[in-house]
Amino acid sequence: DGGITQSPKYLFRKEGQNVTLSCEQNLNHDAMYWYRQDPGQGLRLIYYSQIVNDFQKGDIAEGYSVSREKKESFPLTVTSAQKNPTAFYLCASSMPGVANTEAFFGQGTRLTVV
Amino acid sequence: AQKITQTQPGMFVQEKEAVTLDCTYDTSDPSYGLFWYKQPSSGEMIFLIYQGSYDQQNATEGRYSLNFQKARKSANLVISASQLGDSAMYFCAMSPGNTPLVFGKGTRLSVIA
Repeated sequence: DGGITQSPKYLFRKEGQNVTLSCEQNLNHDAMYWYRQDPGQGLRLIYYSQIVNDFQKGDIAEGYSVSREKKESFPLTVTSAQKNPTAFYLCASSMPGVANTEAFFGQGTRLTVV
Repeated sequence: AQKITQTQPGMFVQEKEAVTLDCTYDTSDPSYGLFWYKQPSSGEMIFLIYQGSYDQQNATEGRYSLNFQKARKSANLVISASQLGDSAMYFCAMSPGNTPLVFGKGTRLSVIA
């Protein structure tokens, strides 16, 4: 079945460590996105990519990095520079420029700093 | 700047009744899309309904309808005949032009038996 797969579902990180969250899609979508969600809050955009080998910062990119070497994959690295990384992370994909097309989301990764 | 405002942090509705979740938006782009998503406690985001800025008629999808008032910049979601399974967080989102979705803070809907 087509969809977006995020892994792992739960992730624990020690302070000072970098961790990488995986996001893979088989929908043949050009655009991919990373959002962060804090308890009781909406989704805030971290990074997005509309084409392979290109990506742009979102509203809260500090302390995060991404790569887009393949169309199917858009991994997010949470670096030690991110001061408060405990949150729920959602990856999404879409076909930009196509009317009436929604973004599809993965199941999310819940990151906890211990 | 693009912005979505959802003024109702929480709502209660009796089972089988209709409920309206409010959403207002702000954008200077004449071309935009408006979306509603449902987020159950599992965390997944489920797409419900879409309205384009140039659409003349309000969008409907089963029990969901979108009350689009362009002059007032509002895009309220109406859920008819509420069911217990409708209890979840609901997010309004906007995509101006060819840009990523901007989300509101959400409304938590609780359906009471």
